[in-house]
Amino acid sequence: GDSVTQTEGLVTLTEGLPVMLNCTYQSTYSPFLFWYVQHLNEAPKLLLKSFTDNKRPEHQGFHATLHKSSSSFHLQKSSAQLSDSALYYCALSGEGSNAKLTFGKGTKLSVKS
Amino acid sequence: NAGVIQTPRHKVTGKGQEATLWCEPISGHSAVFWYRQTIVQGLEFLTYFRNQAPIDDSGMPKERFSAQMPNQSHSTLKIQSTQPQDSAVYLCASSRGHERLFFGHGTKLSVL
Repeated sequence: GDSVTQTEGLVTLTEGLPVMLNCTYQSTYSPFLFWYVQHLNEAPKLLLKSFTDNKRPEHQGFHATLHKSSSSFHLQKSSAQLSDSALYYCALSGEGSNAKLTFGKGTKLSVKS
Repeated sequence: NAGVIQTPRHKVTGKGQEATLWCEPISGHSAVFWYRQTIVQGLEFLTYFRNQAPIDDSGMPKERFSAQMPNQSHSTLKIQSTQPQDSAVYLCASSRGHERLFFGHGTKLSVL
């Protein structure tokens, strides 16, 4: 079945350093990939969604590139901010008309000064 | 737009009791999803409805979990004979279909 793997459970960074959160997936079709972010005591919300034309989505300084050859959609940011501390989930879309998302286990990003 | 509303925010039950969780999706959204969130497993899909019809319940534990959507303005997730391993945050989300999911703040279920 479909699956998403996020290898790091916790990433701790110093403010100003680059961020890279890993996401790989397994699927028998060509899914859309997503990143959702959940700040403390808040609901998860969409951060990025992959495009069909290989453009690189960007939002709030974050970007991710879908590499179908390696089944990856890593999340990156050039300079971490304290406010980036949150739980990040990678997800893939369902096949065809199935709208459900399959999520990874999440990566907690902790940015320190 | 109040977003997705989930009630209660916290629920404490004793082992073996029943728990019913409520979700009010965003008006106009045709799809409603239920997920379970734990530190160990992350966000686990449970079930989803489109236009009130059940579409995919592949994530639901078969014996004690059930979900319904009697009208377009609310869905319920019922857990019978709750067990300590059911303790988690249960998240409801809605969407217009193949677009972004809008999540509620969740119901934190604690089974003692």
